[in-house]
Amino acid sequence: DQQVKQNSPSLSVQEGRISILNCDYTNSMFDYFLWYKKYPAEGPTFLISISSIKDKNEDGRFTVFLNKSAKHLSLHIVPSQPGDSAVYFCAASAFYSGAGSYQLTFGKGTKLSVIP
Amino acid sequence: NAGVTQTPKFQVLKTGQSMTLQCAQDMNHNSMYWYRQDPGMGLRLIYYSASEGTTDKGEVPNGYNVSRLNKREFSLRLESAAPSQTSVYFCASSAVSEQYFGPGTRLTVT
Repeated sequence: DQQVKQNSPSLSVQEGRISILNCDYTNSMFDYFLWYKKYPAEGPTFLISISSIKDKNEDGRFTVFLNKSAKHLSLHIVPSQPGDSAVYFCAASAFYSGAGSYQLTFGKGTKLSVIP
Repeated sequence: NAGVTQTPKFQVLKTGQSMTLQCAQDMNHNSMYWYRQDPGMGLRLIYYSASEGTTDKGEVPNGYNVSRLNKREFSLRLESAAPSQTSVYFCASSAVSEQYFGPGTRLTVT
């Protein structure tokens, strides 16, 4: 049972336009959401996050929106640049008291291609 | 500041061979994690360590063992490698929710 879903395996966008990447989750225990960016042959790098008590968080060209009632979040990149071409992973966090640690559950990723 | 380092970067094993993947972090994080990434599967948690001296199974622990050697180091061992363990392995560390990843080890088992 996939708790975090990224339904679009790939997305192509023209340079300068908006990229919108979507993510859905099912577990109400998740209280913090993150986006990671991954280039080939590198580890994932943290991009932006949002707490479940907020509905929007901005960092430069990147904005994450959270719709808690719909269990949906999205990442907007404006304007898109060729260097944004990468795989983007959505992740949801919960603290597991029995384990004594936060754990992330990842979606399968969306490959973004920004066309010059 | 190196962050999370992993060795080796690449490894080829024959079925049945054993090896240990090494991971170290210099951010003084309590928690450390091992993931594997397979095409179309995202990142799946193998084992984690909430703090020095503790380890627990994640989603896909079969065929693996781990050791939290100290606060900095967390190793992953394959006792008898199988072709199904061909994957890219990532180590990560965290203080709270945000995890920081190493560059990965690409393992091929033939």
